[in-house]
Amino acid sequence: ETGVTQSPTHLIKTRGQQVTLRCSSQSGHNTVSWYQQALGQGPQFIFQYYREEENGRGNFPPRFSGLQFPNYSSELNVNALELDDSALYLCASTRAGTSVSTDTQYFGPGTRLTVL
Amino acid sequence: KQEVTQIPAALSVPEGENLVLNCSFTDSAIYNLQWFRQDPGKGLTSLLLIQSSQREQTSGRLNASLDKSSGRSTLYIAASQPGDSATYLCAAETSGSRLTFGEGTQLTVNP
Repeated sequence: ETGVTQSPTHLIKTRGQQVTLRCSSQSGHNTVSWYQQALGQGPQFIFQYYREEENGRGNFPPRFSGLQFPNYSSELNVNALELDDSALYLCASTRAGTSVSTDTQYFGPGTRLTVL
Repeated sequence: KQEVTQIPAALSVPEGENLVLNCSFTDSAIYNLQWFRQDPGKGLTSLLLIQSSQREQTSGRLNASLDKSSGRSTLYIAASQPGDSATYLCAAETSGSRLTFGEGTQLTVNP
């Protein structure tokens, strides 16, 4: 158990719909990152939030957006869902922010999103 | 742009065998190199983190080494057990807690 929780566990949506995924960080962690993991591939970095502000984004379109709240929980929102958005979405929390990371990142169990 | 490659993609060994998983990365300016384990359909469990200034880390039957100059890391698993069966992912951190992952090595340890 890492102390990072995600909800829901599984989700089925249709093309064009919108989805919100949630992540509760480990206590004391002020940085959360989101990753997309397609079947059979390694996770791909979507974006990161540090103290409620976006702190970097990977190669994902603007329809992927996020929020981080004062209690450091986080949301990932995806608009206009496409079939290729089907994946396992992972969040990870750590104490590091803009400084060099000396701590490992703690991953949640993920949300499996299926887009039909 | 950092790229991480893992070899082999899949590995099947008998129980008790010692084995090595390989990871290579293109940008040597990393902060650290991490190894994770992933069970089917599950999240990632951190196994070992090697800081850029370190050469290796050990935890139980696991030993990970890092050679920044050659862009390589290896994960050594001693006396493998069926419970070690999982996908092993390496990830390089190059800036601000952002990880670039390889595609993983799927390990099967047969009883």
